[in-house]
Amino acid sequence: EVQLVESGGALIQPGGSLRVSCAASGFNVGSNFMSWVRQAPGKGLEWISIMYSNGDTSHTDSVKGRFSISRDNSKNTLFLQMHNLRVEDTALYYCAITRDYALQHWGQGTLVTVSS
Amino acid sequence: QTVVTQEPSFSVSPGGTVTLTCGLRSGSVSNSNYPSWYRQTPGQAPRTLIYRTNTRSSGVPDRFSGSILGNKAALTITGAQADDESDYYCMLYIDSDIRVFGGGTKLTVL
Repeated sequence: EVQLVESGGALIQPGGSLRVSCAASGFNVGSNFMSWVRQAPGKGLEWISIMYSNGDTSHTDSVKGRFSISRDNSKNTLFLQMHNLRVEDTALYYCAITRDYALQHWGQGTLVTVSS
Repeated sequence: QTVVTQEPSFSVSPGGTVTLTCGLRSGSVSNSNYPSWYRQTPGQAPRTLIYRTNTRSSGVPDRFSGSILGNKAALTITGAQADDESDYYCMLYIDSDIRVFGGGTKLTVL
């Protein structure tokens, strides 16, 4: 059974850094395209990053230069490293398998709160 | 900046049919945007309904269908049920490997 479990969310001060994780089971992270999506409290979904099976990555403009997506195939885990965090980065962060240009399986999310 | 448009809200009567749309502020949506649709109820993670314009995800009933209508992607729900009351999001694939969600449609069944 495919399962995605996000973790690492925390309360962090503006300008700080944080890494969130997405532990996968039932499939190989390294053989799939994987995305991060976030949802600010009471707001809609925002796609932010993708990592392809060949290691290439892409990010939405609002996080370029601040966020990076990576993976550890030995741990079957996807990561999102976030730097220079802003109040507007406060959100529930989801990871998802990306297949056929869509987000096919989702985790339950991890909450990142940026506040002083 | 690419903006994907959706109706903020919509209502449908039980048993009725509703079509939600997904457009681009500048331009037309086509199959090359690989429209996908997601449903989210409060406190839950999104669930995938439709991908590649009109392919239903596993377990999604055939009451849900996707299409291109004019210059927009569309999600049609037939025989609406009370538990279809949710937020519905579309996502489009844009050039340069970027995906963009619409703002979502809050569907009320009453």
